[in-house]
Amino acid sequence: EDQVTQSPEALRLQEGESSSLNCSYTVSGLRGLFWYRQDPGKGPEFLFTLYSAGEEKEKERLKATLTKKESFLHITAPKPEDSATYLCAVQAEAGSYQLTFGKGTKLSVIP
Amino acid sequence: GAGVSQTPSNKVTEKGKYVELRCDPISGHTALYWYRQSLGQGPEFLIYFQGTGAADDSGLPNDRFFAVRPEGSVSTLKIQRTERGDSAVYLCASSLGLAGGELFFGEGSRLTVL
Repeated sequence: EDQVTQSPEALRLQEGESSSLNCSYTVSGLRGLFWYRQDPGKGPEFLFTLYSAGEEKEKERLKATLTKKESFLHITAPKPEDSATYLCAVQAEAGSYQLTFGKGTKLSVIP
Repeated sequence: GAGVSQTPSNKVTEKGKYVELRCDPISGHTALYWYRQSLGQGPEFLIYFQGTGAADDSGLPNDRFFAVRPEGSVSTLKIQRTERGDSAVYLCASSLGLAGGELFFGEGSRLTVL
């Protein structure tokens, strides 16, 4: 069974204080790993897809990296508008295109 | 509108009642997905469609849950004999195809079963 574990559950940062969120996964062959952002009362918003170990993707203050067992979402010099819950999901190689999500990391950036 | 539209945004019902939740995907998106999300949890897969057919319904929790997409566009999630444990936000998403994992989610339908 595919599993995704995200840590920490919650993270409070001062504005400008860089940090990383972790996503550990077990899957029977990885088709892709995905990061989403979710604001309160909204649906998740797609950020990145990573396909193979060593791959990196960047968008503004966010950079996602992937190894064979985990992914990191690095946040550089965060701003209050980066406050949200960040969700990690995996898609297995064989068969269905369903995503298995973790519980998310709730990020709060304090001005 | 340009995004995925879900109605109703909020539904309060009594235990044992029947509920329908509607999803209008982005025009031209062939794949449509239903997930549900409980408080403090990540979205949990229910079912997805490629065109009109259900490609994978393995996430539906039991036979009280059923979903249709008769013309390959709008989808309806139907829940019979609702139970308090069905209370959650039901999220719909669509995508151009199945590959890539870039799903466009709606804002969800919050279902409360009293």
